[in-house]
Amino acid sequence: GEDVEQSLFLSVREGDSSVINCTYTDSSSTYLYWYKQEPGAGLQLLTYIFSNMDMKQDQRLTVLLNKKDKHLSLRIADTQTGDSAIYFCAESIGSGGYQKVTFGTGTKLQVIP
Amino acid sequence: DAGVIQSPRHEVTEMGQEVTLRCKPISGHDYLFWYRQTMMRGLELLIYFNNNVPIDDSGMPEDRFSAKMPNASFSTLKIQPSEPRDSAVYFCASSLEGTGTDTQYFGPGTRLTVL
Repeated sequence: GEDVEQSLFLSVREGDSSVINCTYTDSSSTYLYWYKQEPGAGLQLLTYIFSNMDMKQDQRLTVLLNKKDKHLSLRIADTQTGDSAIYFCAESIGSGGYQKVTFGTGTKLQVIP
Repeated sequence: DAGVIQSPRHEVTEMGQEVTLRCKPISGHDYLFWYRQTMMRGLELLIYFNNNVPIDDSGMPEDRFSAKMPNASFSTLKIQPSEPRDSAVYFCASSLEGTGTDTQYFGPGTRLTVL
């Protein structure tokens, strides 16, 4: 079955890099996502990676996927106070048509000025 | 487009009362999702609709919960009777299609407190 796990909390200093980790159990995942939730708001898609890719970079964000270990990470370079939020890892499963998305429990990132 | 709109933003009610949460998806989106977020259980998918038809309601916790989508621009999630353990943030999300590259756009959520 689907299960997506993340650590609950991460604290970093402004300017340092943040690495948020996620593990998933379903090897048939097709896409893996990172969503960001700011206080009082809904989730917003940050980036996604197709399951046959190892890495994707988008400005300050780097996503690494280790499909063998079912491990996904999000690296934020030069972390800013505006990056403080909850980050959700998610996976989609299915082929063609609707793909069910399962979210992790979220990692709260605290950036210390 | 204004994005996904949810109302009310906050709801405080007493145990036993009926609660109705409302959602207006982004125009043209074929899929609508209702989620519940709590500290203990994280983000849970309650139900989703495709073209106004409920497809999967396996996440609905019990018969006290019901959801409808009478047309493409409106959906409701009703809890009757409400209980304190229903206290959570309820999110509505919509997407254009259901494929993997398709983004789910979330509303701001309704924070429900049942006393």
